[in-house]
Amino acid sequence: DGGITQSPKYLFRKEGQNVTLSCEQNLNHDAMYWYRQDPGQGLRLIYYSQIVNDFQKGDIAEGYSVSREKKESFPLTVTSAQKNPTAFYLCASSIDTRTTRNTEAFFGQGTRLTVV
Amino acid sequence: AQSVTQLDSQVPVFEEAPVELRCNYSSSVSVYLFWYVQYPNQGLQLLLKYLSGSTLVKGINGFEAEFNKSQTSFHLRKPSVHISDTAEYFCAVTPSGGRRALTFGSGTRLQVQP
Repeated sequence: DGGITQSPKYLFRKEGQNVTLSCEQNLNHDAMYWYRQDPGQGLRLIYYSQIVNDFQKGDIAEGYSVSREKKESFPLTVTSAQKNPTAFYLCASSIDTRTTRNTEAFFGQGTRLTVV
Repeated sequence: AQSVTQLDSQVPVFEEAPVELRCNYSSSVSVYLFWYVQYPNQGLQLLLKYLSGSTLVKGINGFEAEFNKSQTSFHLRKPSVHISDTAEYFCAVTPSGGRRALTFGSGTRLQVQP
């Protein structure tokens, strides 16, 4: 089945450590996104990528980094510079928004990160 | 830039009653509009979307939404809710001509009571 796979589902990190969240899609989508979700704040955009080897900062990129070496993969690293990393992280993908107006995004099941 | 305001953080309703979840947006350009649903500890699922054409959009699970350009609104409605509709609902917007990710509202928690 086609879809987006995020792993792990739950992740615990000690303060001061970097951690990488995995996101893989087999939908052949060009665009991929990372959102952070906190209670009562909706989803906020961290980074997005329209094509391989290119990505842009979203609204809350500080303390995060990404790479897009393959079309299928868009890992997110939460660095020690992120002051409050405990949150629910959602990865999404969509077909190329440059060539079509259908910008529907498909979401993974999320990773809940807790700093201990 | 775009922004989305969901006017109600929580909406309690009895089973089989109608419900409306309100969404207003702000944008200097034309937009596409979406409603997503999220069940606990899961990702988001698309309910419906407005791209162009008829302003009344029908989605899955009996939901529908109406786009009102003059009031910059995209309210979600269902004539009769079920217990299984209990979830978080998000309104989202993106520019129709741009290369940009979705901008989401803060969400509305729909609580259906028996």
